[in-house]
Amino acid sequence: AQTVTQSQPEMSVQEAETVTLSCTYDTSESDYYLFWYKQPPSRQMILVIRQEAYKQQNATENRFSVNFQKAAKSFSLKISDSQLGDAAMYFCAYRSRETSGSRLTFGEGTQLTVNP
Amino acid sequence: EAQVTQNPRYLITVTGKKLTVTCSQNMNHEYMSWYRQDPGLGLRQIYYSMNVEVTDKGDVPEGYKVSRKEKRNFPLILESPSPNQTSLYFCASSFFLGAEAFFGQGTRLTVV
Repeated sequence: AQTVTQSQPEMSVQEAETVTLSCTYDTSESDYYLFWYKQPPSRQMILVIRQEAYKQQNATENRFSVNFQKAAKSFSLKISDSQLGDAAMYFCAYRSRETSGSRLTFGEGTQLTVNP
Repeated sequence: EAQVTQNPRYLITVTGKKLTVTCSQNMNHEYMSWYRQDPGLGLRQIYYSMNVEVTDKGDVPEGYKVSRKEKRNFPLILESPSPNQTSLYFCASSFFLGAEAFFGQGTRLTVV
């Protein structure tokens, strides 16, 4: 079974600075997706960024980018020019493209605080 | 507007009183699932469905039931809720093996 680990329960960053959230995962599969979801106080789950395992290029969405290291099974999220609205819980998630069930496996989450 | 709609958003109930949380999606997705979110544990899958009349257990199915009689609806049933089912619940849908899952707004359930 796949597992996802976020080793940083809490992180903080100053407004306008850069922060990196860590995520590692364990799988024996070669074809899968990785995601970062943001959960603000409204509780809504918002997709931040997606990475397809067969793509070597790291995904980027505006101020959000990932460092995908497939061999190391590492998938970190970098937030540049942090804004107060980035404060939220962030979840890393894995989804297989090979097995049935197609579930999302989530990490434990990282609570990000942005200080003004 | 493409969306997943859960109801209710908040629910307080007593131990043993049957309840249903509804979930509906308007995107014609085959795949629907339920998750519960607990502090320090992330989201864990309760049940999933790959199509009408096709459901299966996720990681934490005990105490829950589901049904999928129509493609758009996937209700979560707690026949005899207990306090350890107090949690935040999410319904999600996607195309089968699709890249993106769409989440409902969440249901905060408290069982006293």
